[in-house]
Amino acid sequence: QQQVKQSPQSLIVQKGGIPIINCAYENTAFDYFPWYQQFPGKGPALLIAIRPDVSEKKEGRFTISFNKSAKQFSLHIMDSQPGDSATYFCAASRANNNAGNMLTFGGGTRLMVKP
Amino acid sequence: GAGVSQSPSNKVTEKGKDVELRCDPISGHTALYWYRQSLGQGLEFLIYFQGNSAPDKSGLPSDRFSAERTGGSVSTLTIQRTQQEDSAVYLCASSASGTSGFVETQYFGPGTRLLVL
Repeated sequence: QQQVKQSPQSLIVQKGGIPIINCAYENTAFDYFPWYQQFPGKGPALLIAIRPDVSEKKEGRFTISFNKSAKQFSLHIMDSQPGDSATYFCAASRANNNAGNMLTFGGGTRLMVKP
Repeated sequence: GAGVSQSPSNKVTEKGKDVELRCDPISGHTALYWYRQSLGQGLEFLIYFQGNSAPDKSGLPSDRFSAERTGGSVSTLTIQRTQQEDSAVYLCASSASGTSGFVETQYFGPGTRLLVL
């Protein structure tokens, strides 16, 4: 059962555009929602994360919007650059969990930013 | 400082052979995770180690998969009698702590690309 659904699978934007990637989760016990960025041949790297007590978090050009009632969250990349071309994964985990914070990932979005 | 390292970076094996994949976590990190990244399945959790506690093996897909962590540091993931569907990138991640109340960033290694012929 896929507990975190991510869309779109791929996305192409022009430089300066604002790509938006959406995720929806099912498990209401999740309370930590990170986004990871992965370049070819590399492991995923944390980009930005949010807890459900806030509706938005911004770090530089990256913004997470969070809708707890809809169980959805999204990543917006402002003023996108060709260097942002990568695969982006949303994820979810339970922060308050003695059993560890294993991540449940969405399926990934391959972003291409054209010059 | 040094990040998470994994070896080998690539492994090609024949169906039915056993393979061992190694992970060196960031020094001092007590939590260690193994994930698998495959086409069609995305990134999926396999196993979790926290310090010297018994591992959480709930994500292992079959009893052909096992892992150990020696001395609370280096970890080895072993796949016995490999099958073609085991072909994937195996990722290791470590964090400072995986205990209740904290959410520590998980730092991923570059992965081992396994191809089973």
